[in-house]
Amino acid sequence: QKEVEQDPGPLSVPEGAIVSLNCTYSNSAFQYFMWYRQYSRKGPELLMYTYSSGNKEDGRFTAQVDKSSKYISLFIRDSQPSDSATYLCAMSVGNNNDMRFGAGTRLTVKP
Amino acid sequence: NAGVMQNPRHLVRRRGQEARLRCSPMKGHSHVYWYRQLPEEGLKFMVYLQKENIIDESGMPKERFSAEFPKEGPSILRIQQVVRGDSAAYFCASSPGDSIAKNIQYFGAGTRLSVL
Repeated sequence: QKEVEQDPGPLSVPEGAIVSLNCTYSNSAFQYFMWYRQYSRKGPELLMYTYSSGNKEDGRFTAQVDKSSKYISLFIRDSQPSDSATYLCAMSVGNNNDMRFGAGTRLTVKP
Repeated sequence: NAGVMQNPRHLVRRRGQEARLRCSPMKGHSHVYWYRQLPEEGLKFMVYLQKENIIDESGMPKERFSAEFPKEGPSILRIQQVVRGDSAAYFCASSPGDSIAKNIQYFGAGTRLSVL
């Protein structure tokens, strides 16, 4: 079993839809949870960063962490074609060298 | 991720040649990480460095691969005697290294290595 599981998709939605992206993990020691967005042939760009459980909102993006279920989510409201990218979840115990990434979910938002 | 600079963006090598990938971290960042990404796969950790120190190289192949982060200048990922299987995108990330913020890694645009 991988430490971090993420459905690779692809996921295709119409413009304006609410998108839900998810990851599950097995290491209960993870405390830091990140979402990165990666456009084709570009480097990952940090979108959201959450410490421990709870919700965090930034504009159209909401990150949720449920540590009891070992499950994290990223919601995108009013999705736009410019949101089309691969979304990577990442998590860490708190040491610099233990960041673990999901495989990424490829999202396409159709106009 | 504009602050982390990687070069070259694209690198073509023939089998048996050496590849040198460079990474300059964001200003003020003292921690550097290298990752490899294959098509349709996630980022695989290779090595974590601080200035003049390799902290963790557990993700790096034992042979042909080496990394350094000298006191002056960029971090270098070096691949000797490249083989076709080394073809991938190599990403560098950096972090500040202080308190909670140390866990936030910022990525460069990557170097795409093609081995002919």
